[in-house]
Amino acid sequence: DTAVSQTPKYLVTQMGNDKSIKCEQNLGHDTMYWYKQDSKKFLKIMFSYNNKELIINETVPNRFSPKSPDKAHLNLHINSLELGDSAVYFCASSGDSVEQFFGPGTRLTVL
Amino acid sequence: KNEVEQSPQNLTAQEGEFITINCSYSVGISALHWLQQHPGGGIVSLFMLSSGKKKHGRLIATINIQEKHSSLHITASHPRDSAVYICAVNRFGNEKLTFGTGTRLTIIP
Repeated sequence: DTAVSQTPKYLVTQMGNDKSIKCEQNLGHDTMYWYKQDSKKFLKIMFSYNNKELIINETVPNRFSPKSPDKAHLNLHINSLELGDSAVYFCASSGDSVEQFFGPGTRLTVL
Repeated sequence: KNEVEQSPQNLTAQEGEFITINCSYSVGISALHWLQQHPGGGIVSLFMLSSGKKKHGRLIATINIQEKHSSLHITASHPRDSAVYICAVNRFGNEKLTFGTGTRLTIIP
């Protein structure tokens, strides 16, 4: 069973479109995260939710909106996609310890 | 300057060599993580440590809190160890991870 899953794995879309990436964890964790990995492979936190509440919101354009319908899911919706949004987006979760478990990543390409 | 610095950025070695990757950080931390990212892209947590040393198979991670420094060692390296190794820290009272820029390791058969 996959602990942290993301869909889709690949997403290719045109500039200006709106798209969503979904994340689900079956670990019973309370906290979930979205990270962006740029072309230089540098990872950076975007958002974190704890029990459906937003606890970390880094400096991210408000075109990015996370949504947590329940503590097992954290989806990322992106409006008006731009070329610079092309990256790999990773979802992760953590429980009582700060150890994080990562999803397989979603490679977003904006044309 | 990044809060978490890794060295070297790239490392190529022959199979069987002993590998050391270094991580230095400039902030107070509650935990330090070593992550592995394979060419396929997935990220796996190798170690989480806040003091001392941990060992898992051929991998050893150490941390010196006073010197704000950690090392990841790989003994008897193998081509399947080829990956990007990423150091990340939890700042005190903060669950978010701050990442180093990664070390790309290539082991040649």
